[in-house]
Amino acid sequence: AQSVTQLGSHVSVSEGALVLLRCNYSSSVPPYLFWYVQYPNQGLQLLLKYTSAATLVKGINGFEAEFKKSETSFHLTKPSAHMSDAAEYFCAVISGGGADGLTFGKGTHLIIQP
Amino acid sequence: KAGVTQTPRYLIKTRGQQVTLSCSPISGHRSVSWYQQTPGQGLQFLFEYFSETQRNKGNFPGRFSGRQFSNSRSEMNVSTLELGDSALYLCASSLLAGGRNEQFFGPGTRLTVL
Repeated sequence: AQSVTQLGSHVSVSEGALVLLRCNYSSSVPPYLFWYVQYPNQGLQLLLKYTSAATLVKGINGFEAEFKKSETSFHLTKPSAHMSDAAEYFCAVISGGGADGLTFGKGTHLIIQP
Repeated sequence: KAGVTQTPRYLIKTRGQQVTLSCSPISGHRSVSWYQQTPGQGLQFLFEYFSETQRNKGNFPGRFSGRQFSNSRSEMNVSTLELGDSALYLCASSLLAGGRNEQFFGPGTRLTVL
């Protein structure tokens, strides 16, 4: 079975500050890991994905995430927050043959303070 | 290239009725997955179709069903609607099956059950 835990349902940062969104996963086999962003009244957009190549993954809009197997973590970071980053962020995992589809975390609502 | 489209965008039904939602994947994509998003349960995998065959199914009752046509368009049906079925239903398409490939999400259908 696979699962994802996102620490913090809401994270607030000031514009220009570091963004850190936490994600821990549980998987019995090497996982594929994803970060998605959802803006109000829209579907999900893929930010980045880890597929067992490089442990540091760069995505769109200046985001990146580092896969740490020893910590079973895949935290999302961005050096400098922008107002347009305000959205809901979801970490997701898929493992094995993908029989369970993507398993998502509960999501983290990112608030950007001016 | 056009994105994933879902129709209708909004739907209001009453308990006991049935509903059919439609999803048109990106051209060339053969896999379509469906997810239910609610405030309480978050994003949950419903099922995946690939080449007109249901490949995987999540933990949902038999009232939830789907199908895929030869042009890869997919429909999902919910019979005997319950209040708890109120949710955003998201469809995602990908080139191949299994979920490890990038899934492109549509904007969703917002279903309200009264």
